[in-house]
Amino acid sequence: GAGVSQSPSNKVTEKGKDVELRCDPISGHTALYWYRQSLGQGLEFLIYFQGNSAPDKSGLPSDRFSAERTGGSVSTLTIQRTQQEDSAVYLCASSFSQGVGYEQYFGPGTRLTVT
Amino acid sequence: KQEVTQIPAALSVPEGENLVLNCSFTDSAIYNLQWFRQDPGKGLTSLLLIQSSQREQTSGRLNASLDKSSGRSTLYIAASQPGDSATYLCAVIPGGFKTIFGAGTRLFVKA
Repeated sequence: GAGVSQSPSNKVTEKGKDVELRCDPISGHTALYWYRQSLGQGLEFLIYFQGNSAPDKSGLPSDRFSAERTGGSVSTLTIQRTQQEDSAVYLCASSFSQGVGYEQYFGPGTRLTVT
Repeated sequence: KQEVTQIPAALSVPEGENLVLNCSFTDSAIYNLQWFRQDPGKGLTSLLLIQSSQREQTSGRLNASLDKSSGRSTLYIAASQPGDSATYLCAVIPGGFKTIFGAGTRLFVKA
């Protein structure tokens, strides 16, 4: 079946502009995660959705970052007033559920460049 | 605070060699530990997931072990091939699911 998809694959934006990044999880997966991978840095957890529960936003680096998940499926990560330090690869993952034994499956990522 | 460390940071081996990648974590209260590989410019590919109650998992030439009491996991790659060249990432999934990744081990297998 289809894996996790993300769009766009690349995004170049000017400093100060808003951007939206999209993630389509694997069908039937109730858990969805966003991560950021900056050049030379490890993967950084941003936000986690599980079903209809309130998301865990504890990893969002500032209030310029927000995410939503509509209908328990597609998710959008929005970055307002982008800064150069926001340049990174943004990765989305999904899993069938939460808890012991559920693997996370990753999408190919969106490479964001803020000029 | 959970911290995940991977050693070595980089490794270069000749084809055919068996090798071990190490992952250590500071808090043993975890649900799962998952190993991934990442090829340059690509997303992550899941290799193995070990549940907290398990000691090891195997897939083909890969074997991952977990020792929660000592906060360690190892990924064993048998008979390495040039196609195994990639960055290998260890991820610890605690209760709360704020997944913590190690910085990775960059592996290069020489033909």
